[in-house]
Amino acid sequence: GENVEQHPSTLSVQEGDSAVIKCTYSDSASNYFPWYKQELGKGPQLIIDIRSNVGEKKDQRIAVTLNKTSKHFSLHITETQPEDSAVYFCAAISGGYQKVTFGTGTKLQVIP
Amino acid sequence: SAVISQKPSRDICQRGTSLTIQCQVDSQVTMMFWYRQQPGQSLTLIATANQGSEATYESGFVIDKFPISRPNLTFSTLTVSNMSPEDSSIYLCSAVAGGSTGELFFGEGSRLTVL
Repeated sequence: GENVEQHPSTLSVQEGDSAVIKCTYSDSASNYFPWYKQELGKGPQLIIDIRSNVGEKKDQRIAVTLNKTSKHFSLHITETQPEDSAVYFCAAISGGYQKVTFGTGTKLQVIP
Repeated sequence: SAVISQKPSRDICQRGTSLTIQCQVDSQVTMMFWYRQQPGQSLTLIATANQGSEATYESGFVIDKFPISRPNLTFSTLTVSNMSPEDSSIYLCSAVAGGSTGELFFGEGSRLTVL
């Protein structure tokens, strides 16, 4: 089955710096890779996603990259702000949601 | 996108009782799922809620413990039966909006504490 590894588990950055979270998947059938932000006491919120026919996608301060050959995908947050502090989850999804696998999460702390 | 409402948002329950969580989506969706998230952990899929038929459960989860209903394309319930303290967790409803290649959205979760 699919296995998704996510690193780091915790990340502290100074406000204004960039943050990078990396995920690795194992199943070549995975073709959709969303990222979620979960604030304390709330449900996961979809913030950006990428499909296997695209190498990079950007939305304002957030970008995601995908390398199908190495089975790596990453979340990049630039100019971090205190409100970016949350737990971030990556996921690998295959075959029209036949299989959904989440990473273990990264707790991001942005220090003012 | 899809807006998913869950209730209750939180509850404190006694051991041995059962609680039903309701999930309402603001649009018709083909796929709905129930997840469990234990404190500080990732999301674990409990089951896929199938409209008009029995839910499909993941390994380690059984219908007698987590009965699920899905009477239509916008509504589902999850019951946590005969609760024990180990069932204390966040239960999340999710749905795919936009067909089988759409996006996966989550509700705000139901936080259960079992005493």
